[in-house]
This record gives sequence, C-alpha cells and structure tokens, in this order.
Amino acid sequence: AQSVTQPDIHITVSEGASLELRCNYSYGATPYLFWYVQSPGQGLQLLLKYFSGDTLVQGIKGFEAEFKRSQSSFNLRKPSVHWSDAAEYFCAVGAPGNEKLTFGTGTRLTIIP
Amino acid sequence: DAGVIQSPRHEVTEMGQEVTLRCKPISGHDYLFWYRQTMMRGLELLIYFNNNVPIDDSGMPEDRFSAKMPNASFSTLKIQPSEPRDSAVYFCASSPRREAFFGQGTRLTVV
Repeated sequence: AQSVTQPDIHITVSEGASLELRCNYSYGATPYLFWYVQSPGQGLQLLLKYFSGDTLVQGIKGFEAEFKRSQSSFNLRKPSVHWSDAAEYFCAVGAPGNEKLTFGTGTRLTIIP
Repeated sequence: DAGVIQSPRHEVTEMGQEVTLRCKPISGHDYLFWYRQTMMRGLELLIYFNNNVPIDDSGMPEDRFSAKMPNASFSTLKIQPSEPRDSAVYFCASSPRREAFFGQGTRLTVV
C-alpha cells in the first residue's frame, strides 16, 4: 500500500522568499504524485502532477516540483512566495491501475510581510 | 463546467438524526470519491465509484454510513443515525482518470 509523509506541519516564510515543502512517499514502483492546495473553507485545488517522464514538473501559480526516485521524494518549490500563497498544501500519491489517492497530513504555510 | 457541486455547504444536525450529503460530479468523469477531513485524521477516503458502481468502500467507518450513485450525475452520502464524532468536512471529488477534482465540501456539525 502506498503512503505519504509530509514532515513539516507548519512553515512560515517571508513574502518574496523562496519556498520548499517536503513530501516523501512509499510505494514499490513509480507512483503518480500530486500536490494540492487548500485555502480556508475551500476544497482542494490541483497544483501539479507527475505521472512519468521529465522529473521536474511545472504547475499553476508558479509552483514546480521535482520527482527524485532515489530519495522517494516529490518536493514542492516556488522561487518567490506571495501573500496569497498562504494555505494548506497536501501531497498525494496514487498507483497505476488504482484510482485511490492517499494524502499526506498537510503543511500549513504562513506568509509574513 | 461548474466543477464538482456539493450541497449543502453547511449542515448542523442533532445526534441521532439522518444526514444526507449530495454531490454532482463533473460531466464525463467516470470516477467519484467521498473523502472526510478532520483535524485528527486528515483526509480519509471513504468510498469511491467507477461508472456508478462502488469499487472500494473499505474506508466507510461503520454501518451508519452509506453511499449511493444512482446515475452518472449524482451521488449521496448518508449517515444514519449521526453522532457527534461524525462532525467533519466531507468532500466529494470526481476524476476522468488519474487526477481528482474536488468540490467545496460540506461542513457537518452534529450536536
């Protein structure tokens, strides 16, 4: 069974600074990997996804993530955060042939001026 | 498309009452998922359907919970009888395959 770990519960970043949110997964083969963002009182919005191919994927809102098989990681990055990026971020893993997604516990991002 | 539509957005009910949550998936999506989100347990998959057929209901916490998908454009999640520990945000999501699109959620409070 697949699993996801997001080791950081809460991260605070200054506006304009760079950001990296960590995600580690457990799965026997190459998984499908996703990052979702949730603003307060809202549903989850897909930021980006990885299925295969180029290990650096670009998403919406200026986010990118890199799949590193050797580290079982799929970290989310943004070069310069904006106050509107404050939200909860979830990493999720899926498996080919199985539509179930397993979500991490989330990382809450706070942006300070 | 309007996205995944859930109703109601908020529901407050008394313990022991029946609660029905509704979901309209995105047209053309073959998969429908029901998730529950709580502070203690995070996002949990309760059940999912493929072409209106339940595929995996192993996440349904107990017999008080039931879900149906009578057609491709409608699904319900029912709790009967409801208990305070059922208080959570319930999300419906639909998928054409491999990526899920979420609704806004229903915040359920059982008092």
